[in-house]
Amino acid sequence: QKEVEQDPGPLSVPEGAIVSLNCTYSNSAFQYFMWYRQYSRKGPELLMYTYSSGNKEDGRFTAQVDKSSKYISLFIRDSQPSDSATYLCAMRDSGGSNYKLTFGKGTLLTVNP
Amino acid sequence: KAGVTQTPRYLIKTRGQQVTLSCSPISGHRSVSWYQQTPGQGLQFLFEYFSETQRNKGNFPGRFSGRQFSNSRSEMNVSTLELGDSALYLCASSLLRGAGTDTQYFGPGTRLTVL
Repeated sequence: QKEVEQDPGPLSVPEGAIVSLNCTYSNSAFQYFMWYRQYSRKGPELLMYTYSSGNKEDGRFTAQVDKSSKYISLFIRDSQPSDSATYLCAMRDSGGSNYKLTFGKGTLLTVNP
Repeated sequence: KAGVTQTPRYLIKTRGQQVTLSCSPISGHRSVSWYQQTPGQGLQFLFEYFSETQRNKGNFPGRFSGRQFSNSRSEMNVSTLELGDSALYLCASSLLRGAGTDTQYFGPGTRLTVL
């Protein structure tokens, strides 16, 4: 079983739709959870950062973490064509000697005008 | 503040050759990590350097190596290239090496093609 599972999609939605992206994980040591957005031929760009369980909102984006279920989500409201990209979930433990991010494989999202 | 820069952006090599990729972190960042991204495996951690020392290493063969200089710039080297080494190699830097809510910021990557 991979440490982080993410549905690769592709996911295609009309402009203005609410998008839900999800990841599950198996390592209970993970405490910090991130979502990165990666446009074609670019490096990943940090979108959202959440510590432990709970919700975090930033504009049209909401990140949710449920540590009891080992499940994280990213919601995009009023999706725009410019949101078309690959979305990667990433997570890590408390750091120390094992400072690294573990990624899902990414979900390819297309928002159609 | 300038972001993470990587050179070269594109590289074509043949099997058996070696390659060196370069990464300049965000100014003030001392931790540099390297990742390999392929369609099949996604992003996989290669290694992390902090204060010129390798602090953590992923599950890659010894053909993959790296180093960090006193100005925090980092290089990674792949020797005896194989077709399967074709990938996007990403460098990421971080200020506090994960302390608090610190995280990693990525460069644009070097796309390596092995023929």
